[in-house]
Amino acid sequence: EAEVAQSPRYKITEKSQAVAFWCDPISGHATLYWYRQILGQGPELLVQFQDESVVDDSQLPKDRFSAERLKGVDSTLKIQPAELGDSAMYLCASSSAQGLGEAFFGQGTRLTVV
Amino acid sequence: GENVEQHPSTLSVQEGDSAVIKCTYSDSASNYFPWYKQELGKRPQLIIDIRSNVGEKKDQRIAVTLNKTAKHFSLHITETQPEDSAVYFCAARNQAGTALIFGKGTTLSVSS
Repeated sequence: EAEVAQSPRYKITEKSQAVAFWCDPISGHATLYWYRQILGQGPELLVQFQDESVVDDSQLPKDRFSAERLKGVDSTLKIQPAELGDSAMYLCASSSAQGLGEAFFGQGTRLTVV
Repeated sequence: GENVEQHPSTLSVQEGDSAVIKCTYSDSASNYFPWYKQELGKRPQLIIDIRSNVGEKKDQRIAVTLNKTAKHFSLHITETQPEDSAVYFCAARNQAGTALIFGKGTTLSVSS
């Protein structure tokens, strides 16, 4: 069964350092999402891509976060500089059919900022 | 934008009992309502979904109902089992191509 791949699974970084997460969606899925999930809460959208274009990044803290999907396939989410409050699970999800279908989630990257 | 409220935040039931989780949404244009189950340390996985042209959908022990007038939808799990213990999230999507907006989750504990 095809899955959304994310790496790394776990990341510990010091505050003020840069950190990057990678996501490879299910093959053929044009829609890709990055969500942040704080412990005990639901996923919150950071950014949505349709192919290589950003559809929604209204909730992305653009002073420190950036996301790209240059060839419309895999994607990278970067934080620079990391802050203590960025500690969370970062989930990538993908969907086919212009985002109308089910969103499939990756295993996530657990970020701890110390 | 869309806002999704979910209740209760925690739910404890005895094995064999039924469990009901309720969600309300704010945007009357929302047309897709999935439910995800997330076990500890694992990814959220879709368990059932419903679209706005349907009032109820069932899949074995799981059912979802939708009341568009009241803007709320509910997850019903019958004959609960210990393996149903997890965090359940409802979500809504308000138009084609936009992202899912999630509720804060319900931690379901089923004791045997």
